[in-house]
Amino acid sequence: ETGVTQSPTHLIKTRGQQVTLRCSSQSGHNTVSWYQQALGQGPQFIFQYYREEENGRGNFPPRFSGLQFPNYSSELNVNALELDDSALYLCASSLQRAGSTDTQYFGPGTRLTVL
Amino acid sequence: SQQGEEDPQALSIQEGENATMNCSYKTSINNLQWYRQNSGRGLVHLILIRSNEREKHSGRLRVTLDTSKKSSSLLITASRAADTASYFCATGQGAQKLVFGQGTRLTINP
Repeated sequence: ETGVTQSPTHLIKTRGQQVTLRCSSQSGHNTVSWYQQALGQGPQFIFQYYREEENGRGNFPPRFSGLQFPNYSSELNVNALELDDSALYLCASSLQRAGSTDTQYFGPGTRLTVL
Repeated sequence: SQQGEEDPQALSIQEGENATMNCSYKTSINNLQWYRQNSGRGLVHLILIRSNEREKHSGRLRVTLDTSKKSSSLLITASRAADTASYFCATGQGAQKLVFGQGTRLTINP
């Protein structure tokens, strides 16, 4: 167990809808990263939050947004869902220090299906 | 786009044999990490090797890193059925993101 939890486990939405995925980080971790993993692929970096501010973004459009809260919880919001958004969404918490990417602890993921 | 490339894409061996997976990457890195994923669920961190290290051990795992060749290998010795999973290498770049490869699907046959 990594101590990182995500909810919900599974979610089905229709194209055009909006979705919010939630993550609870390990206590004491100041950084949360979100990844999208399509079937058969490796995870792709969406963005990272450090001390409640966005701290880097991958090649994802602005309809992917996030929030990080002081109580170690965070959210990933996706607007105007598209079929290609169907994937496993993973959050990972870490303790960032000295500008280095240290070990990231992953949650079990949320499986999103867009119909 | 993915930076790391794992080789082979799939590997099937008998229980008790050793399994070796390789990873190549393209840019300079702070560290390289190996993760395991069972059945499309969350990733489990296995080992982190820093750019100034050449070899690291953890239990039945041995990781090597060759920064001149931009490559790493993961060796699992005395494999068990429970080692069946997908294995990913991920390169740490700056303070922000991990860049994952597409993974090696390892199957251990009893």
